[in-house]
Amino acid sequence: QVQLKESGPGPVQPSETLSLTCTVSGFSLTSYGVNWVRQPPGKGLEWMGRMRYNGDTSYNSALKSRLSISRDTSKNQVFLKMNSLQTDDTGTYYCTRGLIRGYFDYWGQGVMVTVSS
Amino acid sequence: DVVLTQSPATLSVTPGERISLSCRASESVDTYLHWYQQKPNESPRLLIKYASQSISGIPSRFSGSGSGTDFTLSINGVELEDLSIYYCQQGNSLPYTFGAGTKLELK
Repeated sequence: QVQLKESGPGPVQPSETLSLTCTVSGFSLTSYGVNWVRQPPGKGLEWMGRMRYNGDTSYNSALKSRLSISRDTSKNQVFLKMNSLQTDDTGTYYCTRGLIRGYFDYWGQGVMVTVSS
Repeated sequence: DVVLTQSPATLSVTPGERISLSCRASESVDTYLHWYQQKPNESPRLLIKYASQSISGIPSRFSGSGSGTDFTLSINGVELEDLSIYYCQQGNSLPYTFGAGTKLELK
């Protein structure tokens, strides 16, 4: 069955770089896209960016200068890197499978990222 | 960016009643509007795609309607397990955006 699972470092210091991995199973990264969505504690959802099935990437302009998404299809993994972290980057980060015209049919369990000194 | 405005922010409900949640877009998104349910400490779950298309495994009491800028999620006979936050999301243009959510609470 389709599964996505995020993994990451836990607490991060301000100004450091966040590195997250989304490991997928049950589908191919060359057939489906993967998106990253985050959620600050007690707040709503924000789309961060995506890796399309063909390797193209798109980013939310609000984050574009800090964000990079890449993949390793042989390992069924998609990677998120975001630099210059601040405390308001604290939240739960989800990877999701993206379908045509941007709906997300499967979500990972999410990984909590805390930015604190 | 397309702004999605959801109303009301909170809705107090009685089990069994029929309710409607609104999502309005700042510009037309055609029918590329999707709905999600999020329960506390859980990941969001897709409820409706393309404004009105049902999703396998989602109870039939959930339905969606609308096109352009005005959309509605209806629940026909609210159950206690439906007490959650509901988000709309547009997939018409990048960046994809979400509404701020409507929280269903028990009256």
